Amino acid sequence: SAVISQKPSRDICQRGTSLTIQCQVDSQVTMMFWYRQQPGQSLTLIATANQGSEATYESGFVIDKFPISRPNLTFSTLTVSNMSPEDSSIYLCSVIPGATEAFFGQGTRLTVV
Amino acid sequence: QQPVQSPQAVILREGEDAVINCSSSKALYSVHWYRQKHGEAPVFLMILLKGGEQKGHEKISASFNEKKQQSSLYLTASQLSYSGTYFCGTDASGNTPLVFGKGTRLSVIA
Repeated sequence: SAVISQKPSRDICQRGTSLTIQCQVDSQVTMMFWYRQQPGQSLTLIATANQGSEATYESGFVIDKFPISRPNLTFSTLTVSNMSPEDSSIYLCSVIPGATEAFFGQGTRLTVV
Repeated sequence: QQPVQSPQAVILREGEDAVINCSSSKALYSVHWYRQKHGEAPVFLMILLKGGEQKGHEKISASFNEKKQQSSLYLTASQLSYSGTYFCGTDASGNTPLVFGKGTRLSVIA
């Protein structure tokens, strides 16, 4: 199993600014995943973060907009850069230790005004 | 590629049964099922691996037809606590991130 501490839980940000979201896992994992979930919608994968290498981004997501750091096997950050109201969403980190069930952080509810 | 879930929404009275379907256009290694309540993170229900198995957890069970790349989640004798949005998540190789369907909103009423 895994317990993920994600912060902040919510924030209200001005357009044009950046927010960094942190996820700390209580065990070492090879991959960490970042998802975005807009209200009433499904979870959309942003990128996969591997320790020691560049993150792998999904179509429609770019590193300049969503830079990711993965300094060790228990921690990762996602930055939402130059924010606009369209970035308002819930951002979740996730891990799948042992290729079994996925565990999620509690999410960061971001509102851009 | 995003799996297709059906139905999009269903309303049940307590004690009724429901089936939620998930289908993929590509070969799968596993199918996961999660339930998410409003304002909370998704919670794991079960995982089905290729090999065409069926699993059960109290009154919630699921099947996976590997040949058809389809999975179904069965909810029997529904309870109010079953309300939420159900997502299937598919994994193509056992080492890839989950791709989630659009979800099925289940409402159980008294």
